[in-house]
Amino acid sequence: AQSVTQPDIHITVSEGASLELRCNYSYGATPYLFWYVQSPGQGLQLLLKYFSGDTLVQGIKGFEAEFKRSQSSFNLRKPSVHWSDAAEYFCAVGARSSASKIIFGSGTRLSIRP
Amino acid sequence: DADVTQTPRNRITKTGKRIMLECSQTKGHDRMYWYRQDPGLGLRLIYYSFDVKDINKGEISDGYSVSRQAQAKFSLSLESAIPNQTALYFCATSDLPTDGTGELFFGEGSRLTVL
Repeated sequence: AQSVTQPDIHITVSEGASLELRCNYSYGATPYLFWYVQSPGQGLQLLLKYFSGDTLVQGIKGFEAEFKRSQSSFNLRKPSVHWSDAAEYFCAVGARSSASKIIFGSGTRLSIRP
Repeated sequence: DADVTQTPRNRITKTGKRIMLECSQTKGHDRMYWYRQDPGLGLRLIYYSFDVKDINKGEISDGYSVSRQAQAKFSLSLESAIPNQTALYFCATSDLPTDGTGELFFGEGSRLTVL
């Protein structure tokens, strides 16, 4: 069955520090993977996506993610966080299939320490 | 104007009332989705539709129904609302994953409170 796990419910990092948010997926087919961000009181915005090619993908706002098939992971990283990065982050998985639906993880809430 | 529009944005209702949340899109996508967001649970799929004649149940369809009135319109109904349906509801659209990535485009959400 298709599933996504984000093991960290809440992470706090200092402004300027590096960030890594974990995402593990379970999917029988070749996955499409996404990271979305939800700022307080807002809808969801796509940060980046992976569907083929280079396993290190760059997104908006200085974020990047690396697809590791052997570990079934798609972790999100940022070298230096800014206070405006405080938000909730969701990993999601779909597949290159006409029957595919997209499933989300439970989210990781990121707080920034001044 | 937003590509995916949800109405109403906020609604307070009482237990037992019928509620409809509406979604319209100008993306031209065939695929439309309804998700529910609860704290700590992420987004859970309620129903999805791959075209006007195709409706599918998601993870948590009990207590909900949907109607795909046209390619651009997808409504979610709660026939008899109950308090544990209090949540933030999102409509989304996507293109075909066999042609593109199937990326989701979200509306701004409809916050429903059932008293």
